[in-house]
Amino acid sequence: DQQVKQNSPSLSVQEGRISILNCDYTNSMFDYFLWYKKYPAEGPTFLISISSIKDKNEDGRFTVFLNKSAKHLSLHIVPSQPGDSAVYFCAALFQGAQKLVFGQGTRLTINP
Amino acid sequence: NAGVTQTPKFQVLKTGQSMTLQCAQDMNHNSMYWYRQDPGMGLRLIYYSASEGTTDKGEVPNGYNVSRLNKREFSLRLESAAPSQTSVYFCASREHYEQYFGPGTRLTVT
Repeated sequence: DQQVKQNSPSLSVQEGRISILNCDYTNSMFDYFLWYKKYPAEGPTFLISISSIKDKNEDGRFTVFLNKSAKHLSLHIVPSQPGDSAVYFCAALFQGAQKLVFGQGTRLTINP
Repeated sequence: NAGVTQTPKFQVLKTGQSMTLQCAQDMNHNSMYWYRQDPGMGLRLIYYSASEGTTDKGEVPNGYNVSRLNKREFSLRLESAAPSQTSVYFCASREHYEQYFGPGTRLTVT
């Protein structure tokens, strides 16, 4: 039972345009969501997060939106740059829990 | 401040061999984790340790054992490697909500 789903295995975007990565979850008890970025041959690195009490969090070119009624979050990257080409994982956490639940990942390719 | 370190970076084992993957963190975090990453499967939790002296199973613990040697170190052992354990293994430590990952160990079992 996949509680966190990233339904797009890959996404290709032109440099300078907006990249939108999507993530759906099934458990309404999740109360914190995170996005991680992973380059080949490296470990995932934390990118941005959002609490369930918010609907938007922004950090520079990166914005995460949370729609609790739809159980959906998205990561917007504007403008997209070649260095953004990586695999992006969304993850969710229950309050007080030790374990993150990860999605399958989306491979983002930024084309010059 | 090295963060989370893992050794070795690469390993090839024959079926039935054993080995231990080492992980250490220098951030004084209480919680540590072992994941495996397989194509199309995301990151799946093998075992975790909420604090020194405690360990718990994750989503895919079969075929693995762990030891939380002290606050810094958390090792993962494969007692009898199988081809299904071919994967990339990541160790992580946690502060508040965020987990910090090591660079990974690429393991191939033939």
